Amino acid sequence: DTGVSQNPRHKITKRGQNVTFRCDPISEHNRLYWYRQTLGQGPEFLTYFQNEAQLEKSRLLSDRFSAERPKGSFSTLEIQRTEQGDSAMYLCASSLGLAGGKNTGELFFGEGSRLTVL
Amino acid sequence: AQKITQTQPGMFVQEKEAVTLDCTYDTSDPSYGLFWYKQPSSGEMIFLIYQGSYDQQNATEGRYSLNFQKARKSANLVISASQLGDSAMYFCAMRPYSGAGSYQLTFGKGTKLSVIP
Repeated sequence: DTGVSQNPRHKITKRGQNVTFRCDPISEHNRLYWYRQTLGQGPEFLTYFQNEAQLEKSRLLSDRFSAERPKGSFSTLEIQRTEQGDSAMYLCASSLGLAGGKNTGELFFGEGSRLTVL
Repeated sequence: AQKITQTQPGMFVQEKEAVTLDCTYDTSDPSYGLFWYKQPSSGEMIFLIYQGSYDQQNATEGRYSLNFQKARKSANLVISASQLGDSAMYFCAMRPYSGAGSYQLTFGKGTKLSVIP
C-alpha cells in the first residue's frame, strides 16, 4: 500500500492524558499536513511541513499540541493534557510541491485517527 | 483569506439520476485551484476532481463534472448516474497558488449525499 498511512486509527483516552498520532506520507511527497475534523464540519488546517521544516501553524494549534517530522519522512502529532474538546478526527495528508505542469497541489489524505477524550 | 460555502447540509437522489452539489467560494487571489473530495463513512478523504481558475473548460472525471462559473465564484459538482456507493459526505475546497496560505486547502462544511435505491 503506497498511500498515506495513519495510526492508531482510534484512540480513547481520559482527560489529562497525552496522546501521539503517527503519519507516514506517500514516499516521494515533500509536503505533509495535519488537519482536524470535528463532527459535521470540514477539515480545518492545523500545521504544515515542507520536508522536515514546520513552516506554518494554525492558531487552532494550542501550546498543548506539537508536531514533528524529524527526518522529513513520517510525522507525529502529540497532544498533551488532553481535553474533551480535543475529541475529533485528526487527518494527515501529503502532496508534492507546486512545480507547474499538471501538478495541481492535490492533497492525498490518510484514513485519519479518531480521538475520543472521556 | 479564503472561504468556501456549501449551503446544502444534506441531499437525496434516486439511483441512476444526476445530482448537483453546490459550492461558492470567496478569494482575492487571482490564481487558485478548486477541489472536490468525497468522504465515506470510513473517514478517508478521496479526491474526485480539480478545476484551475484559469482553465477554460469545465473539468470532467468519469461521472463527475465541475460546473465552474468564475464570475459567480461557484464550482458546483455534478454527479451523473448516481450509484449507491456515492452515498457519502462531499467537500468543496480551494487553495490559492500565491501568497499566504498557498500550501493549504480550505474546506467547506460539506454536503451529505444519500442515494436512494
